[in-house]
Amino acid sequence: EVQLLESGGGLVQPGGSLRLSCAASGFTFNNYAMSWVRQAPGKGLEWVSGISVSGGSTYYADSVKGRFTISRDNSKNTLYLQMNSLRAEDTAVYYCAKGVIVLMVYATGFDYWGQGTLVTVSS
Amino acid sequence: QTVVTQEPSFSVSPGGTVTLTCGLSSGPVSTSYYPSWYQQTPGQAPRTLIYSTNTRSSGVPDRFFGSILGNKAALTITGAQADDESDYYCVLFMGSGISVFGGGTKLTVL
Repeated sequence: EVQLLESGGGLVQPGGSLRLSCAASGFTFNNYAMSWVRQAPGKGLEWVSGISVSGGSTYYADSVKGRFTISRDNSKNTLYLQMNSLRAEDTAVYYCAKGVIVLMVYATGFDYWGQGTLVTVSS
Repeated sequence: QTVVTQEPSFSVSPGGTVTLTCGLSSGPVSTSYYPSWYQQTPGQAPRTLIYSTNTRSSGVPDRFFGSILGNKAALTITGAQADDESDYYCVLFMGSGISVFGGGTKLTVL
């Protein structure tokens, strides 16, 4: 059974940093691109960042480019999102999502999702 | 700036058929955008319905059908049931690793 378990969310002050993790199991992690998707309270889903199977290529939404860094450790089956210079508008539930197509460089869609971790940016 | 458009809301009668659409501000949607569709109820993680235009995700009933209709991606739900009442999101893959979500459609079954 595919499982994605996010952790690392919490309350952080504006300008602060946080690192999210997503522990994956039930599939061959290093065969799939992965992504982070967020949802602000009462709002829709927003794609945030993606990473290739090897971790050699990374992609970001304009809203987080230069502040967030996605990475993966294929030996630990874990996806990360390092978030710096956090702003109030980054407040959201952050989901990790698995790419649908094996060995594709990008995630062209997502077939499994974690339950999410809440990040609150507030003073 | 690329905008992915969805109807903000839609209603369908129980047992009826509804088609939700997913458009692109810059032009027609094709299979090259790998349109995918997700269902979400309040407080829950999204559930994948359709990816790569028309491939149903594991366990999704064949009441859910993805296609390209005209210049938009489309999600058709047949035999609507009460528990289909949810928010539905489409995603388009823009190339270079970037994906963009639509604003979502709130579907009411009444």
